[in-house]
Amino acid sequence: DSGVTQTPKHLITATGQRVTLRCSPRSGDLSVYWYQQSLDQGLQFLIQYYNGEERAKGNILERFSAQQFPDLHSELNLSSLELGDSALYFCASSGRGVGETQYFGPGTRLLVL
Amino acid sequence: QQPVQSPQAVILREGEDAVINCSSSKALYSVHWYRQKHGEAPVFLMILLKGGEQKGHEKISASFNEKKQQSSLYLTASQLSYSGTYFCGTANAGGTSYGKLTFGQGTILTVHP
Repeated sequence: DSGVTQTPKHLITATGQRVTLRCSPRSGDLSVYWYQQSLDQGLQFLIQYYNGEERAKGNILERFSAQQFPDLHSELNLSSLELGDSALYFCASSGRGVGETQYFGPGTRLLVL
Repeated sequence: QQPVQSPQAVILREGEDAVINCSSSKALYSVHWYRQKHGEAPVFLMILLKGGEQKGHEKISASFNEKKQQSSLYLTASQLSYSGTYFCGTANAGGTSYGKLTFGQGTILTVHP
């Protein structure tokens, strides 16, 4: 158990819908990262938050957005869902960020039908 | 640009050794190694930092050649539990990486009795 929690574990929805994925970092960690893992793209970095502020952006679609709240939990919002958005979404957390270990949560498996 | 891992797959018998390589075209600050079993979260194994500091697992070792931007993960006396997909994640040197990781495509390791 990494200490990072994610909910829900599984999500099945239809195209065009909107979903919210939630992540709670390890106690004391200030940085939260979101990654998407699909069969054909591997593990892709989406976005990073540090202490409530966006710090780095990766290959995140405009239909996706995220935020980190004062209690440091983070939410990833996915809207106008397409079949290709089906993937495992992982959240990871670390201390300050650079040079620190990132611990991954169990992931949310999203299936868009 | 994602780092390149080699080999793509390895098949071993228990007790045999393996080496997995990770190569980047960019100057690196750190290399992170993870093992992932099917459908589960990546599990942290080892982090190597520019300047030579290593932190990680007792039974697994790794090297980081900063000049060549290459890292190798050494698995000795393999056990059945070592089976899984191994990923290297790299954090670029420079002021804007903030610790985000770019992952290689993975190396599938299978250990047979």
